[in-house]
Amino acid sequence: QKEVEQNSGPLSVPEGAIASLNCTYSDRGSQSFFWYRQYSGKSPELIMSIYSNGDKEDGRFTAQLNKASQYVSLLIRDSQPSDSATYLCAVSLRSGNQFYFGTGTSLTVIP
Amino acid sequence: SAVISQKPSRDICQRGTSLTIQCQVDSQVTMMFWYRQQPGQSLTLIATANQGSEATYESGFVIDKFPISRPNLTFSTLTVSNMSPEDSSIYLCSVGRDSQEQYFGPGTRLTVT
Repeated sequence: QKEVEQNSGPLSVPEGAIASLNCTYSDRGSQSFFWYRQYSGKSPELIMSIYSNGDKEDGRFTAQLNKASQYVSLLIRDSQPSDSATYLCAVSLRSGNQFYFGTGTSLTVIP
Repeated sequence: SAVISQKPSRDICQRGTSLTIQCQVDSQVTMMFWYRQQPGQSLTLIATANQGSEATYESGFVIDKFPISRPNLTFSTLTVSNMSPEDSSIYLCSVGRDSQEQYFGPGTRLTVT
């Protein structure tokens, strides 16, 4: 069973604050980790991918991976109301490219 | 990334009928996948569409209910057969290349009455 767990939220942060989204996974063989953003009524949009331990920054987004703890997180700095969405964590093994998704965390950024 | 289109974008179907959903990509891709997202839920992988061979189905999904075709590297179809209201969902195709990143189509919103 390849489980991916996220806090469902909702998570509310004021505009300009840092939003922290967390994800744990059960399969130690997992190699690739992704964060998707999904606006209501839309399909998921890839915002970050991370493959090795440590931090990866892209603009206001930072993904953090700790394979020993089986933990991946997403930090959103200077949160904007447009960041309000559901954030999905996805994990895959190197072989097969199958993704396993968490249930998502709903984020609301309050102006 | 890739430009992915799905047809239809939405449909309302009667119980017992079948609907075929098309997924078209603007460039050749190695992997194509079909997911289901039920209201308020996350994504569940239905199957991996393999070019030139039968699709690989996840536990709980069977070919008789969800036949899939993949005639080439840019196109796939998913059929939802003998529909019931429980099949009401959003169906999404995604594509992946060697980088392992997956990109999603806009989805097909299906309502079964």
